[in-house]
Amino acid sequence: GAVVSQHPSRVICKSGTSVKIECRSLDFQATTMFWYRQFPKKSLMLMATSNEGSKATYEQGVEKDKFLINHASLTLSTLTVTSAHPEDSSFYICSARDFRGRAGELFFGEGSRLTVL
Amino acid sequence: AQTVTQSQPEMSVQEAETVTLSCTYDTSESNYYLFWYKQPPSRQMILVIRQEAYKQQNATENRFSVNFQKAAKSFSLKISDSQLGDTAMYFCAFMKSLQGAQKLVFGQGTRLTINP
Repeated sequence: GAVVSQHPSRVICKSGTSVKIECRSLDFQATTMFWYRQFPKKSLMLMATSNEGSKATYEQGVEKDKFLINHASLTLSTLTVTSAHPEDSSFYICSARDFRGRAGELFFGEGSRLTVL
Repeated sequence: AQTVTQSQPEMSVQEAETVTLSCTYDTSESNYYLFWYKQPPSRQMILVIRQEAYKQQNATENRFSVNFQKAAKSFSLKISDSQLGDTAMYFCAFMKSLQGAQKLVFGQGTRLTINP
């Protein structure tokens, strides 16, 4: 199946700093990518839909100035957590759709664990 | 808004047994897609099986099969001859349609443990 890769897999930062997480589709082009947040032992909550070449669409309650999303190419979307605080600590997961594959199937990255001290 | 409910937070069975995970959903849509995803300890989500709502036949993928009851809005996953590698979190998910953003709505998850 298609491969989606996230980097870094783990990141620890100090409160007040910004952290960038990358999501890459390695063997296909993805016009749309999705960013999720997962708290420990909880489900995935969709944060935003990342659209190549245009602004991201954020879910209700997600601060767009806090979680900056850039989808500058067909294989890369980035999530930047700005002025991070301990409550932003979480597991962040991206997914992307491979149009070559079965309709509706999304492929997920390995996830990035953010810890804010 | 669509909602997905998994009423079993945790389940545990012996290796080689059959286990069924429950999922119900709520939607006013007539055409949609349902999925079961597996999240092993490595944390990467893996698609287990998918079902198109317009298809009456239940989807199967080797040891995995679903019982899709559209009228009841129920979508359970059956794992036959369970293996140790099946130990994972299992999420039921709903997608409204193939048009537009194709957003997935996930259930709360069921933690499945296969014991040797």
